Amino acid sequence: DVKVTQSSRYLVKRTGEKVFLECVQDMDHENMFWYRQDPGLGLRLIYFSYDVKMKEKGDIPEGYSVSREKKERFSLILESASTNQTSMYLCASRLKGPYEQYFGPGTRLTVT
Amino acid sequence: AQSVTQLDSQVPVFEEAPVELRCNYSSSVSVYLFWYVQYPNQGLQLLLKYLSGSTLVKGINGFEAEFNKSQTSFHLRKPSVHISDTAEYFCAVISGGYQKVTFGTGTKLQVIP
Repeated sequence: DVKVTQSSRYLVKRTGEKVFLECVQDMDHENMFWYRQDPGLGLRLIYFSYDVKMKEKGDIPEGYSVSREKKERFSLILESASTNQTSMYLCASRLKGPYEQYFGPGTRLTVT
Repeated sequence: AQSVTQLDSQVPVFEEAPVELRCNYSSSVSVYLFWYVQYPNQGLQLLLKYLSGSTLVKGINGFEAEFNKSQTSFHLRKPSVHISDTAEYFCAVISGGYQKVTFGTGTKLQVIP
């Protein structure tokens, strides 16, 4: 069975902290994605990676960076967390091409 | 640039009644269309997809959608909803170079007993 896992379901951090969100997939997928989900705004793409060590900015990359050193792992980094980064973060992966994405369960991050 | 519009943010419907959730897209090239469902406190999972071929697509849990190129629509339908269908539904489109996926803002389906 296909699986995408995220390191935490719930996370509480303080303003200014460096935050790491990790995502692991076991399907040998080339493409991986990070989204944030906010009420009324749907899913907004932060970054995606089309292969190992490759990344491309999405629609809202400001304040975030990513790392993909291994095919199965895609990390999202908040360099200095701010309260406006309080959100649900969803990771997804898919095969290269116009195929469906497989999502992790999400991490609800609260920055106080 | 591609975009997806889900005009209805919430749709209440009585149990066993039919439902249609609307999705319109804009793209100047060929498109691939998806509907995903998100149950409370979970990630998204695929309901159905249109890549090519028949414009009527059947998915899981009795849902179906019809791709209408002239109307640039991909509406989701179910003839008789169940309480367990209460969830948020997202329409998504891929076009052009396959890389970027654009999601709509979602429609919350509330099934009333």
